[in-house]
Amino acid sequence: AQSVTQLDSQVPVFEEAPVELRCNYSSSVSVYLFWYVQYPNQGLQLLLKYLSGSTLVESINGFEAEFNKSQTSFHLRKPSVHISDTAEYFCAVSPGNTGKLIFGQGTTLQVKP
Amino acid sequence: NAGVTQTPKFRILKIGQSMTLQCTQDMNHNYMYWYRQDPGMGLKLIYYSVGAGITDKGEVPNGYNVSRSTTEDFPLRLELAAPSQTSVYFCASRGRAGTGELFFGEGSRLTVL
Repeated sequence: AQSVTQLDSQVPVFEEAPVELRCNYSSSVSVYLFWYVQYPNQGLQLLLKYLSGSTLVESINGFEAEFNKSQTSFHLRKPSVHISDTAEYFCAVSPGNTGKLIFGQGTTLQVKP
Repeated sequence: NAGVTQTPKFRILKIGQSMTLQCTQDMNHNYMYWYRQDPGMGLKLIYYSVGAGITDKGEVPNGYNVSRSTTEDFPLRLELAAPSQTSVYFCASRGRAGTGELFFGEGSRLTVL
């Protein structure tokens, strides 16, 4: 069975500091990997995804994530966060072409001024 | 473009009552999903569908039923509501398995008293 573990439930950080949100997964088949973001009282939105090719993927608002197959990880990073990045972030895996999409527990990023 | 529409947005039920959460999408997506979101638990997959007439159980299907008679609609039925079903429910859809981006509705907040 596939599973996703987000290692930190809450990450407090000061504005303009770097941040890393950790995600590990387990799967016996090839997976596609996603990060979604949820702003307060809203649904989830896609932040970035890894499908194939370059293991480093980037979003339009400065986030990046690196797929590490040997460590089965897909950590999300940003070199300098803003107050507006305060949100809950979810890592998700899609095993092959099964149709399923499995989410982690979520990490709340709290950016302080 | 409406995307994924869920109704109702809020509902309070008494223990033992039944109700249906409605979900419709206008993107002609084959894949549709129901998740529930509880604090600190991330999103748990309840049921999903890979096309009209085809549904399958997710991680937490007990107490719920679904149907998929058309491509557009994927209602979630709660029979004999229990306090454990108090949660925020999200419907989502995507056009492709595996690599496809998930599009979410705004959520339905259900309280069972």
